[in-house]
Amino acid sequence: DAKTTQPNSMESNEEEPVHLPCNHSTISGTDYIHWYRQLPSQGPEYVIHGLTSNVNNRMASLAIAEDRKSSTLILHRATLRDAAVYYCILIISGSRLTFGEGTQLTVNP
Amino acid sequence: EPEVTQTPSHQVTQMGQEVILRCVPISNHLYFYWYRQILGQKVEFLVSFYNNEISEKSEIFDDQFSVERPDGSNFTLKIRSTKLEDSAMYFCASGTLRQGGSPLHFGNGTRLTVT
Repeated sequence: DAKTTQPNSMESNEEEPVHLPCNHSTISGTDYIHWYRQLPSQGPEYVIHGLTSNVNNRMASLAIAEDRKSSTLILHRATLRDAAVYYCILIISGSRLTFGEGTQLTVNP
Repeated sequence: EPEVTQTPSHQVTQMGQEVILRCVPISNHLYFYWYRQILGQKVEFLVSFYNNEISEKSEIFDDQFSVERPDGSNFTLKIRSTKLEDSAMYFCASGTLRQGGSPLHFGNGTRLTVT
């Protein structure tokens, strides 16, 4: 499986934008980029996904580099409820998600 | 918004006992999954299920594990003879498409404690 690299942790202040980076230099042409997050004591929660173009939904935006070797999840205004572990995952076979360590996001009031 | 529901939320069992973890996936979903997360570790894939059969399983999913979709709504994970190392959070997930273009929806998990 192609690997992703994320920072172990990031901090943000409430109501400020957060940019969570992910590197995936070995991505192949048909791999989708998915982002999930896991709040304490909960199951993973889908955030957003994309293939080549930037994507927006009610939760976040996903900016994908032109060469697709990196992407950035953007939370436009962080809230305390956004404190979670964020996982950037490439879908290779389509049948399974392979979770890495993710980025622990801390949001300061 | 429809959601994946799992029961029970917490199950305590003795080593060697059988347990069945239950899940109700989202109703129009076709693909079903079990994942687990040992405390403090990564979320790990166990098995995927489509069209009433296992489509993929990990090395964790040995002969002690089985899955079943006994009716049109439930999806179960059975562990025949539990071991201490089976203690973990077990998450059920469901999705509409096998390829990477659609999200998986996860339940909030069953915490299994084996004593």
